[in-house]
Amino acid sequence: QSVLTQPPSVSGAPGQTVTISCTGSSSNIGTGTGYGVHWYQQLPGTAPKLLIYNNNNRPSGVPDRFSGAKSDTSASLAITGLQAEDEADYYCQSYDSSLSGFVFGAGTKVTVL
Amino acid sequence: EGPLVETGGGLIQSGGSLRLSCAVSGFSVSDNYMNWVRQAPGKGLEWISVIHGAGTTYYADSVEGRFIVSRDTSKNTLYLQMDSLRPEDTAVYYCTREARPYGDYLDYWGQGALVTVSS
Repeated sequence: QSVLTQPPSVSGAPGQTVTISCTGSSSNIGTGTGYGVHWYQQLPGTAPKLLIYNNNNRPSGVPDRFSGAKSDTSASLAITGLQAEDEADYYCQSYDSSLSGFVFGAGTKVTVL
Repeated sequence: EGPLVETGGGLIQSGGSLRLSCAVSGFSVSDNYMNWVRQAPGKGLEWISVIHGAGTTYYADSVEGRFIVSRDTSKNTLYLQMDSLRPEDTAVYYCTREARPYGDYLDYWGQGALVTVSS
């Protein structure tokens, strides 16, 4: 059972917007900790790739269709203008002070209908 | 090839040992926080260990006492020594770099090394 909770799957038609939630607790995502929430995209058969860092920042090369937000003990990843190439697994990640290590969500599979 | 290249994966019997290597290029392994993350077949990501720039190490409970992370600065290489392996350790193991001081996220990932533990 993952420390961070994500929905197993979300789907949408091309061009639509999908949102993935990530719920944690006061020892990880919580506002008082100062720990960021980060998102990774994993295409089939490949290593995960950093998609969003420090809640809402995109690394160079990541399209602005991807955006992140954080509030209290929850975070979200939005994909606007969904494209076929966005079909992948998405993971949220933070740091947990009670575990002294990184924690991940179980992953959300995005399907483009 | 990227800046992180893992080698050493393979098939091993339960109770056996294996050492993974991660060759690092483009930055110093001793100046960075380096983490190992694994992914069991069809499952999600699991953080298992970190070695800080100063050499301090931390482990997930699932591998504490069985796995040891280390580095060789002369070879700029990270290692993961895995002992007393169990079938549940079967996974792809990723070498990753933590993006400190900019944040507690993983900005570089290797291609992964598959470890299969048979019972």
